[in-house]
Amino acid sequence: QKEVEQDPGPLSVPEGAIVSLNCTYSNSAFQYFMWYRQYSRKGPELLMYTYSSGNKEDGRFTAQVDKSSKYISLFIRDSQPSDSATYLCAMSDGGYQKVTFGTGTKLQVIP
Amino acid sequence: DAGITQSPRHKVTETGTPVTLRCHQTENHRYMYWYRQDPGHGLRLIHYSYGVKDTDKGEVSDGYSVSRSKTEDFLLTLESATSSQTSVYFCAISESRGEKLFFGSGTQLSVL
Repeated sequence: QKEVEQDPGPLSVPEGAIVSLNCTYSNSAFQYFMWYRQYSRKGPELLMYTYSSGNKEDGRFTAQVDKSSKYISLFIRDSQPSDSATYLCAMSDGGYQKVTFGTGTKLQVIP
Repeated sequence: DAGITQSPRHKVTETGTPVTLRCHQTENHRYMYWYRQDPGHGLRLIHYSYGVKDTDKGEVSDGYSVSRSKTEDFLLTLESATSSQTSVYFCAISESRGEKLFFGSGTQLSVL
């Protein structure tokens, strides 16, 4: 079993829809949680960063962490074609350099 | 891409040849990393550096070596390339350990 599980998709939604992306994990030591967006042929870019449990909102994006269930989510409101990308969850125990990534969910927003 | 330059962007090489990939940063971040990205595996850490001349292995380090002689440069060397090392290689940097990573644009390496 992988430490971090992420549904690879692809996920296809119409423009304006609310998108929910999720990851589950098994390591209870994880305390830093991140979401990266990766456009085709580009490097991942940090989208959201959360420490411990709770919610964080940034514009149309909301990240949620439920440590009791070992489950994290990224919500995208009013999705746009420019949101079409692969979304990677990532998490760390804050220890020595190790950030563990999910395999990514490919999202397509159709105009 | 947060002041990170990877070179070359694309490379095709033959099995058994040595290959060196370069990562250059202008952010003066202490930590630098090399990842490879493959379908079904996501991003996997090859090696990382926590300072000049200070490096350590990641989860998929076999067949790779690294060097960091200056804060801004981190080199990844494949001593004798194999077809299993065909991948997209990303360099990343961070200011603090285990936290926010900033990635370069990647190097597409094909070993024939």
